[in-house]
Amino acid sequence: QKEVEQDPGPLSVPEGAIVSLNCTYSNSAFQYFMWYRQYSRKGPELLMYTYSSGNKEDGRFTAQVDKSSKYISLFIRDSQPSDSATYLCAMSVVASRYGKLTFGQGTILTVHP
Amino acid sequence: SQTIHQWPATLVQPVGSPLSLECTVEGTSNPNLYWYRQAAGRGLQLLFYSVGIGQISSEVPQNLSASRPQDRQFILSSKKLLLSDSGFYLCAWGTGQGSYEQYFGPGTRLTVT
Repeated sequence: QKEVEQDPGPLSVPEGAIVSLNCTYSNSAFQYFMWYRQYSRKGPELLMYTYSSGNKEDGRFTAQVDKSSKYISLFIRDSQPSDSATYLCAMSVVASRYGKLTFGQGTILTVHP
Repeated sequence: SQTIHQWPATLVQPVGSPLSLECTVEGTSNPNLYWYRQAAGRGLQLLFYSVGIGQISSEVPQNLSASRPQDRQFILSSKKLLLSDSGFYLCAWGTGQGSYEQYFGPGTRLTVT
């Protein structure tokens, strides 16, 4: 079993839809959670990061962590065609000196006009 | 602000040839540095990380090596490339000081023929 599981999709939604992207994990020591967006043939770009459980909002994006269920989500409101990309979740054990991240496989999202 | 550079952007090399990919970071001191490989349609595989000059740790045994000759320079090398070395190579940096976010460069697309 992989430490982090992410549905690869692809996910296709109409413009304006609410998108929900999810990851599950098995290592209960993970406490730092991140979401990256990767456009085709580009490096991943950090979107959001959260520590431990709870929600964090940034514009149209909301990151949610449920440690009891070992489940994290990224919600995109009012999705735009420019949101079309691969979304990667990543997580880390706190107190790791070199800050190793464990990544999901990524979900391919297409927002069509 | 911090900037990370990678070159070359694209590379086509024959099997058995040597490899040298370079990564430099600007605007920060003593960063943690990372090399990842991303195969088509797959997640990120951590290859090497470095917490300081001359300090390299390998995550996956293979015919690649890494070096850090200067604080903000990270080099990925191979003496003889294999077909399986094809992929998208990403360099990333992190502060490693109680925060776990990593910031990625634009990547190098390597095709071994």
